[in-house]
Amino acid sequence: GQQVQQSPASLVLQEGENAELQCNFSSTATQLQWFYQSPGGSLVSLLSNPSGTKHTGRLTSTTVTKERRSSLHISSSQTTDSGTYLCAIDLYQGGRALIFGTGTTVSVSP
Amino acid sequence: DMKVTQMPRYLIKRMGENVLLECGQDMSHETMYWYRQDPGLGLQLIYISYDVDSNSEGDIPKGYRVSRKKREHFSLILDSAKTNQTSVYFCASSSDRERYAEQFFGPGTRLTVL
Repeated sequence: GQQVQQSPASLVLQEGENAELQCNFSSTATQLQWFYQSPGGSLVSLLSNPSGTKHTGRLTSTTVTKERRSSLHISSSQTTDSGTYLCAIDLYQGGRALIFGTGTTVSVSP
Repeated sequence: DMKVTQMPRYLIKRMGENVLLECGQDMSHETMYWYRQDPGLGLQLIYISYDVDSNSEGDIPKGYRVSRKKREHFSLILDSAKTNQTSVYFCASSSDRERYAEQFFGPGTRLTVL
């Protein structure tokens, strides 16, 4: 089965609304990263959060390692937040290759 | 400025032609990766390189080979490209010195094989 599952698959927001994206993974992970992929395709790392809570700007990630889940909270969404959010885990195999989920597509309208 | 670069950004080739995708990084990272991204499948690991001339297959290596002769450069080669290799290819790098090392990604190469 899929090792990294993200939900919801898509999300539609009005500007200013908050959103919570979920990531569940099937194996113990030593690293977890959240990425943003723009509509144009470029991939940007948002947060590296293997455990606990981390903030950056309007983003908060909480990872509970023993429950194999992570969330990404977007507060006060803006139209520029539209894109796909990818969760990826590192099943340490001697090289830290990432296993990606298929993402949550977020659309924020004005 | 920490950066991963990829060349070319867009490429159109005919079936059977050879393809060379180049990746560079300026962070002296030991480990580099090649992924491909297809709709509905997410990113999948093709090859991983732990350092110069130290490469390992990822999840989908068939039809690809790699070359790493300098730490800062990692090439992906398709000998006799196939139409099912049409995809977006991402290169990434990470440091082995940090316990929870982040991966840094390049901008991607969109390859179309006709």
